[in-house]
Amino acid sequence: DTGVSQDPRHKITKRGQNVTFRCDPISEHNRLYWYRQTLGQGPEFLTYFQNEAQLEKSRLLSDRFSAERPKGSFSTLEIQRTEQGDSAMYLCASSAGTGSRNEQFFGPGTRLTVL
Amino acid sequence: DAKTTQPPSMDCAEGRAANLPCNHSTISGNEYVYWYRQIHSQGPQYIIHGLKNNETNEMASLIITEDRKSSTLILPHATLRDTAVYYCIVLLRANDYKLSFGAGTTVTVRA
Repeated sequence: DTGVSQDPRHKITKRGQNVTFRCDPISEHNRLYWYRQTLGQGPEFLTYFQNEAQLEKSRLLSDRFSAERPKGSFSTLEIQRTEQGDSAMYLCASSAGTGSRNEQFFGPGTRLTVL
Repeated sequence: DAKTTQPPSMDCAEGRAANLPCNHSTISGNEYVYWYRQIHSQGPQYIIHGLKNNETNEMASLIITEDRKSSTLILPHATLRDTAVYYCIVLLRANDYKLSFGAGTTVTVRA
């Protein structure tokens, strides 16, 4: 297994369009996380899944955002009616959820630019 | 979760130890100190974490003061590949699903 993968790596869209990002976690990791990172800032937590259950959502995740993890494996993050303020790097991470470390392994991110 | 304070930037000479400070004066007794780093154009990477005792792994050492109000991450022999933003994060083990990264310290290792 080569780690967490995200697709696409870059997305340019026009304001008002919908976009969907995909994250494939490390196999057998039951926890999956989404973060957003704007230029010059650290990543901000958006939401996380334990298997297929979405257990917490940040207030940053407005009604235009929806995340799913239908079979407890890959996850999608959809943004409807994109706004210029949505331009950011969207990072996905996964973890085993057990053990003393529970370190999160991050993917390379999807960079979204909204024109 | 307790707030952390880190210097915005620091330089380090290649081959020398890099000592990265972090203040967390409001830390509570059951909050852990985590360190992650983010190399340019990559996702963050876990380095180390600890509660009370000093910790060491293949990447770094973590020194936590006795009163737990501050800590230092030590990269024993910095290389150019250690140039990155380093984040000190304090949180409850139960909240370890939502890392709060802050601004971090930009470490530049110079040849």
